[in-house]
Amino acid sequence: DIVMTQSPDSLAVSLGERATINCKSSQSVLHSSNNKNYLAWYQQKPGQPPKLLIYWASIRESGVPDRFSGSGSGTDFTLTITSLQTEDVAVYYCQQYYTTHLITFGQGTRLEIK
Amino acid sequence: EVQLVQSGAEVKKPGESLKISCKGSGYSFNNYWIGWVRQMPGKGLEWMGVIYPSDSDTRYSPSFQGQVTISADKSISTAYLQWSSLRASDTAMYYCARLEQWLAKWGQGTLVTVSS
Repeated sequence: DIVMTQSPDSLAVSLGERATINCKSSQSVLHSSNNKNYLAWYQQKPGQPPKLLIYWASIRESGVPDRFSGSGSGTDFTLTITSLQTEDVAVYYCQQYYTTHLITFGQGTRLEIK
Repeated sequence: EVQLVQSGAEVKKPGESLKISCKGSGYSFNNYWIGWVRQMPGKGLEWMGVIYPSDSDTRYSPSFQGQVTISADKSISTAYLQWSSLRASDTAMYYCARLEQWLAKWGQGTLVTVSS
């Protein structure tokens, strides 16, 4: 299995400031056939299912605010939230889909307001 | 509108069997893999396995192989997750989701509580 490790486990950021969440995979999720990174990001608020934010490591899902952005390649990835809003309080997960039907998630990062 | 609607919360005793469902609508149900995700109380997301309703091709995560059964009835656009003998450790929220490599559409979740 590809193991996904997120850091930090939790963080507190002031309103309007930048939040950065990291995700590292145990092996590269960059596919040589199409030069795409098989990496997605999700947001989960209490009592709700996860919501897709980013796929192909950097493509925002339709309707996701542009303060959310994804970057990285190979084994190291970052989710950045610029200008944190109260509604961004949630747990964030990365997920690899390089192994098509055996996807794996990071352990999650809890984001709070400082 | 694409929707995945899951069956309601269940309370069961250890040793009992259970089958929960996930009904798709608003798209061609047969043509997308449907996966199941476990979330134990206060914990993260765990991939259980996936099924292709068109031919019932099923793949399990090694952690869940032999512990659960995933099935589908394409005639009613419904996928299932079942247990033959529940344990207290099966207490969790279970989500179905449509697999497009990523998981863009999710069901609302089914809470399963196993307690004597």
